[in-house]
Amino acid sequence: LAKTTQPISMDSYEGQEVNITCSHNNIATNDYITWYQQFPSQGPRFIIQGYKTKVTNEVASLFIPADRKSSTLSLPRVSLSDTAVYYCLVGGDILTGGGNKLTFGTGTQLKVEL
Amino acid sequence: GAVVSQHPSRVICKSGTSVKIECRSLDFQATTMFWYRQFPKQSLMLMATSNEGSKATYEQGVEKDKFLINHASLTLSTLTVTSAHPEDSSFYICSARDYSRGPHTDTQYFGPGTRLTVL
Repeated sequence: LAKTTQPISMDSYEGQEVNITCSHNNIATNDYITWYQQFPSQGPRFIIQGYKTKVTNEVASLFIPADRKSSTLSLPRVSLSDTAVYYCLVGGDILTGGGNKLTFGTGTQLKVEL
Repeated sequence: GAVVSQHPSRVICKSGTSVKIECRSLDFQATTMFWYRQFPKQSLMLMATSNEGSKATYEQGVEKDKFLINHASLTLSTLTVTSAHPEDSSFYICSARDYSRGPHTDTQYFGPGTRLTVL
């Protein structure tokens, strides 16, 4: 299973763009990258998923360089409610022969202040 | 989007009793579900992989006779904590895989979690 490394914590202010980078040097060909958000006493919430290049949805963007050894989650104009733990995970795709489970790292505690 | 529910959301029980937690995928079929445990201020720890119609696969160090998993249908997996003790008190979270959209779209969706407190 590919191991991920993220900063333990980050601080930001409301209205700023936040970029959280995750390192996954031993990502396999069949692995894709998924980011989750978790609030205290809640299950993780899916944010975004990608395989290569850039993916954007209504809440975030995910940038993946050509070598796929890292990825960056970009949250535009954060608010206080974005204070949470963000997890980067890499995992295999069942349909293309990849692994079957995801391993959570320590995550990044994002704190947004006024 | 895909929704996973858990029941109950919170349970308090006496030491020695058994507790069953249900995990349901509400709008998709999940041949594979996962059970995690999370202690305060820590990350999620995978306990086992639950496959519909077959025996669960447990992670190293997880007692299969203590944490019984049953995945009898494509939308329901249950985790039973047998003879619970205070050290089993934790936040239990399930997830279900939805790969119905094709390759590289395989995504795990998580339930809201169940807070177990054993007195």
